[in-house]
Amino acid sequence: ETGVTQSPTHLIKTRGQQVTLRCSSQSGHNTVSWYQQALGQGPQFIFQYYREEENGRGNFPPRFSGLQFPNYSSELNVNALELDDSALYLCASSEDRLETQYFGPGTRLLVL
Amino acid sequence: AQSVTQLDSHVSVSEGTPVLLRCNYSSSYSPSLFWYVQHPNKGLQLLLKYTSAATLVKGINGFEAEFKKSETSFHLTKPSAHMSDAAEYFCVVSDLPFSGGYQKVTFGIGTKLQVIP
Repeated sequence: ETGVTQSPTHLIKTRGQQVTLRCSSQSGHNTVSWYQQALGQGPQFIFQYYREEENGRGNFPPRFSGLQFPNYSSELNVNALELDDSALYLCASSEDRLETQYFGPGTRLLVL
Repeated sequence: AQSVTQLDSHVSVSEGTPVLLRCNYSSSYSPSLFWYVQHPNKGLQLLLKYTSAATLVKGINGFEAEFKKSETSFHLTKPSAHMSDAAEYFCVVSDLPFSGGYQKVTFGIGTKLQVIP
């Protein structure tokens, strides 16, 4: 069974640019959640996708958007990058909405 | 409202002594509660979860947590610390306010566990 994978592992962007992060969910999982973990902080919930529909959203602006595909993999898009967007972005998949989440290794984004 | 409070940002124990990491939560619904561990430069690993079955939950690597509704607590314990337990630990609350609605998930700020040889 393949676990949750994320790409890329590291990324450097400049302010104002756009970025797309990718996540492949664990086999059999229909729910994907995205989190932002700033240095020294706990992960903050960005949003969740369940069967290709957004199923929950945290306190993040609309420039954070996402997609889930029919194979349940997912993308996180961030437009108009700001310096404070520098963080570790974690993806987690689960069998269903309230089931245990299994996390990928994360993508570390640095915005200069 | 949903919130998680991890009462200690740092805990230091000697190897072989008990570990206690404290977590209090609030939720307007019947929540699921989790503890995750994050080793440096590694992803988050599930230690254990509570989902309204037994109040004493056993997890991996000898960790346990007890759900106490009256105290709104979900403290993590281990009888004897090992050097490999040094990591950051996160308490997490998750609930589904209404059927078909949005799931809310909140992480605590984390507790760094240091194990002294």
